[in-house]
Amino acid sequence: AQSVAQPEDQVNVAEGNPLTVKCTYSVSGNPYLFWYVQYPNRGLQFLLKYITGDNLVKGSYGFEAEFNKSQTSFHLKKPSALVSDSALYFCAVSPSGSARQLTFGSGTQLTVLP
Amino acid sequence: EAQVTQNPRYLITVTGKKLTVTCSQNMNHEYMSWYRQDPGLGLRQIYYSMNVEVTDKGDVPEGYKVSRKEKRNFPLILESPSPNQTSLYFCASSSRWSGRAPLEQYFGPGTRLTVT
Repeated sequence: AQSVAQPEDQVNVAEGNPLTVKCTYSVSGNPYLFWYVQYPNRGLQFLLKYITGDNLVKGSYGFEAEFNKSQTSFHLKKPSALVSDSALYFCAVSPSGSARQLTFGSGTQLTVLP
Repeated sequence: EAQVTQNPRYLITVTGKKLTVTCSQNMNHEYMSWYRQDPGLGLRQIYYSMNVEVTDKGDVPEGYKVSRKEKRNFPLILESPSPNQTSLYFCASSSRWSGRAPLEQYFGPGTRLTVT
């Protein structure tokens, strides 16, 4: 069965510093990978996805993620954090070419400190 | 404005009293789905629909029903709610998918349901 792990419930970073939110996955075959962000009292918003091709994927709001097949990871990164980036971040995975559906991680709360 | 709307946003009800949470999207998306969000568990899919009159179970369908009679609407029905269905519910839609997985979803604002 496919699964997603976000090993950190909470990540704190100072404004202006680089941030990383970690995600590892387990899936049969090649994965489709996604990051979503949830601001307080809002629904989730799509940030970026990896389907195929370049391992470094760029998304909305200056975020990017690196697909690492050997480490089965898809960490979310941003070179310089903003206070407004504070939110709950979800990683999700689906196996490509399969009838299986999307599985979400448990979420990581990112707090950017001014 | 392209959006997914849900109603009501907040609902407190009692065990066994049937309720419906509505979901509507104005983007002409074929794919729609319902999720519940519980602390420490992320989002879990309840039901999804790949087009009108086509629905299927997600990971946690027990105690829920759905229907898709129109493309834009995908209501979630709890015929006999129980306290373990207290949760935050999200509806989502998408125009692209692979297999059963949507490639980019648009989410509604959520419905917080409390069953006492």
